[in-house]
Amino acid sequence: KAGVTQTPRYLIKTRGQQVTLSCSPISGHRSVSWYQQTPGQGLQFLFEYFSETQRNKGNFPGRFSGRQFSNSRSEMNVSTLELGDSALYLCASSIDRSYGYTFGSGTRLTVV
Amino acid sequence: QKEVEQNSGPLSVPEGAIASLNCTYSDRGSQSFFWYRQYSGKSPELIMFIYSNGDKEDGRFTAQLNKASQYVSLLIRDSQPSDSATYLCAVNKFYFGSGTKLNVKP
Repeated sequence: KAGVTQTPRYLIKTRGQQVTLSCSPISGHRSVSWYQQTPGQGLQFLFEYFSETQRNKGNFPGRFSGRQFSNSRSEMNVSTLELGDSALYLCASSIDRSYGYTFGSGTRLTVV
Repeated sequence: QKEVEQNSGPLSVPEGAIASLNCTYSDRGSQSFFWYRQYSGKSPELIMFIYSNGDKEDGRFTAQLNKASQYVSLLIRDSQPSDSATYLCAVNKFYFGSGTKLNVKP
């Protein structure tokens, strides 16, 4: 059974640019959530999507957005990148909110 | 702001001992609690979850929940060096503590 797949694995972007990260959940999982992980802040919740609807949102500025497609694949977009956006971005999927998440390997974003 | 607090450690225990990891949370209405393990350079992986007060056992792992005191703990029996990792507590699925680093010494 394939796990959660995130692409790309690494990204280097310039301040002010925008970036789109992709996540393919485990087959049959309809809940997808996104997290930012940094050494100083730990795992910070960005948002959760379920059946193409954003159900929950963390405390991040509007520059961070996401969406989910009908096949449960999800994308996350960050506009007007700042140096502080450099982090590991993790996607996780779950059958529903009653169960824990399975995490992907993450996308390492570096903003220069 | 939903706060989830964990002692960052490191917590050092000898091989074969019981490791006790604790987590407190601020949202009294929290319903679900999860423990994840994260090895250095890897993604978190789910160990177990608990919803009801009391203990839940899964192999060498026991999760304990006390909603009145707003804490959840994870006990690891017969600790092995391979258990050395950072253990993350998550509340209501989305809100993670900063993790406790566990070192199991051979």
